[in-house]
Amino acid sequence: GQNIDQPTEMTATEGAIVQINCTYQTSGFNGLFWYQQHAGEAPTFLSYNVLDGLEEKGRFSSFLSRSKGYSYLLLKELQMKDSASYLCAVRDSNYQLIWGAGTKLIIKP
Amino acid sequence: ETGVTQTPRHLVMGMTNKKSLKCEQHLGHNAMYWYKQSAKKPLELMFVYSLEERVENNSVPSRFSPECPNSSHLFLHLHTLQPEDSALYLCASSQAPSGGGTDTQYFGPGTRLTVL
Repeated sequence: GQNIDQPTEMTATEGAIVQINCTYQTSGFNGLFWYQQHAGEAPTFLSYNVLDGLEEKGRFSSFLSRSKGYSYLLLKELQMKDSASYLCAVRDSNYQLIWGAGTKLIIKP
Repeated sequence: ETGVTQTPRHLVMGMTNKKSLKCEQHLGHNAMYWYKQSAKKPLELMFVYSLEERVENNSVPSRFSPECPNSSHLFLHLHTLQPEDSALYLCASSQAPSGGGTDTQYFGPGTRLTVL
């Protein structure tokens, strides 16, 4: 079957750096997405990786290794507003998105 | 209005009621999606419409009935639901369901459904 694994919850300190990992086993691969979802709100698109390597976008970066079935989302200079759930999703060979259960990130002052 | 909107934001219904969820996208996209989001579980894809034709139906019980009258509007008709159907129902849209490149899905804020 298809599977996306990510930690259920993480805690970090304001101003610090946190890395949220995602491993996947899917039928084919056509890109990996990261979304941010604040409580009670819509998931919002953060990043897309289809080739190996690091994509940087401001304080957020996303890394992909297709051979390892692995990605991470790196958040720098953490702010209280970064407290949210972070969802990893992989697009499979049928172009369907397979979703992880999300990582709840708690930022402490 | 911009992006993807959903109404109502909250809905409480009994198991014998009939209700409908509405989604509207203002992005000029060709594909629309219904997802179910339960606590601590992955998003579950329910239905996909592309150019108003249903292209995906992931073994969803018949008590959920989608309707897509045009490329901007999507409905989810609900009848004789069960308490385990209580969840957040999210609508999303994208340029195309099998498009290349990012073909990013954009989500609405969801309807929080409680079935008593």
